[in-house]
Amino acid sequence: AQSVSQHNHHVILSEAASLELGCNYSYGGTVNLFWYVQYPGQHLQLLLKYFSGDPLVKGIKGFEAEFIKSKFSFNLRKPSVQWSDTAEYFCAVNAGGKNYGQNFVFGPGTRLSVLP
Amino acid sequence: GAGVSQSPSNKVTEKGKDVELRCDPISGHTALYWYRQSLGQGLEFLIYFQGNSAPDKSGLPSDRFSAERTGGSVSTLTIQRTQQEDSAVYLCASSLESGGGASGTQYFGPGTRLLVL
Repeated sequence: AQSVSQHNHHVILSEAASLELGCNYSYGGTVNLFWYVQYPGQHLQLLLKYFSGDPLVKGIKGFEAEFIKSKFSFNLRKPSVQWSDTAEYFCAVNAGGKNYGQNFVFGPGTRLSVLP
Repeated sequence: GAGVSQSPSNKVTEKGKDVELRCDPISGHTALYWYRQSLGQGLEFLIYFQGNSAPDKSGLPSDRFSAERTGGSVSTLTIQRTQQEDSAVYLCASSLESGGGASGTQYFGPGTRLLVL
């Protein structure tokens, strides 16, 4: 079964610092990749997604992610974080296949705290 | 349009009681998912419905858990004889279709926070 790992459990940054959250997955076939964000007290929202084409994907609020197939990675980046980016970030991988439900796998999440 | 809605938003119950959690997916979405999110944990897949196909129940943690989806729309997750370890946030998501591509993108509801005393 495929799995998704996120490198950091909790990241603490000051405003204006650059952000990179790591995400690696274990699946050798074609994948769709997602980053979801959960702001405090709110539900999960889609931040960005990759299906095909340009491996550098731009999402909402200035976030971007780069799919590196050779490294099985889909790291999330933002050049300058804001206090309002404080949230939990989840990487997810959809590998499709017969058992579709099980093939949409989420990472454990990375909590980002941005200090004002 | 309206997003995924879930009810109740919070549920407190006593150990041993049964609970029902409801999910209303986005209209027209054929795929529906249930996940469990425990404190400090990621999302744990529970069950998946796609149209009229048999659901994928492979993620249900025990036979105390069951789910239905009536008329291809509303879904109910039932937990019988609740235990304290069932305390978690139960999330529902829907997508236009299953499979890859844009139509497979999941949209989440706000969740039901369940506390078993």
